[in-house]
Amino acid sequence: GESVGLHLPTLSVQEGDNSIINCAYSNSASDYFIWYKQESGKGPQFIIDIRSNMDKRQGQRVTVLLNKTVKHLSLQIAATQPGDSAVYFCAEIAQGAQKLVFGQGTRLTINP
Amino acid sequence: SQTIHQWPATLVQPVGSPLSLECTVEGTSNPNLYWYRQAAGRGLQLLFYSVGIGQISSEVPQNLSASRPQDRQFILSSKKLLLSDSGFYLCAWNRPGVPQHFGDGTRLSIL
Repeated sequence: GESVGLHLPTLSVQEGDNSIINCAYSNSASDYFIWYKQESGKGPQFIIDIRSNMDKRQGQRVTVLLNKTVKHLSLQIAATQPGDSAVYFCAEIAQGAQKLVFGQGTRLTINP
Repeated sequence: SQTIHQWPATLVQPVGSPLSLECTVEGTSNPNLYWYRQAAGRGLQLLFYSVGIGQISSEVPQNLSASRPQDRQFILSSKKLLLSDSGFYLCAWNRPGVPQHFGDGTRLSIL
């Protein structure tokens, strides 16, 4: 559900390493999931999405994994770069619903 | 291609003054439109959404209102701003079944 009042958890990784950002969702009726990247002072940018009939989807350097059994979503970023530093949000929506439900976000910091 | 515009990018207003933030979408018709607020270091709070002209759904009771006078225009307003209205305001659009796309936001500071 929405967690607008919580401080963001953080993840620090070395440049070149892989990052895994996790997200738990609560609505078993959710069937569409999205990852967004938000850089400082900007609006969230769409990264990748996945529908509930899939358990994995790959993009350029990013992979999203969906485990419906435990209601868990993850975003894997390969060979992280300084430009990957941002806050990452997962979002879910149920079929026919109008509103996305956002996770609390994770701040990813890339160490040189 | 579709684009979304928000303005102004930054706004400083005194307590008690009115507010009008505007958001427009180009390159699509009959979009769903959304206003969010984001406090510093926090997640996104949905304030209003609209599925058509004149149709506004409010998510949280507050000092703000929204209007949709045209298909691709969404306005966030207040008659009298409070200190607690400070934040980063984001407009977003989508069509059903596709991701929401966000504008660059308006940073509102209330003095």
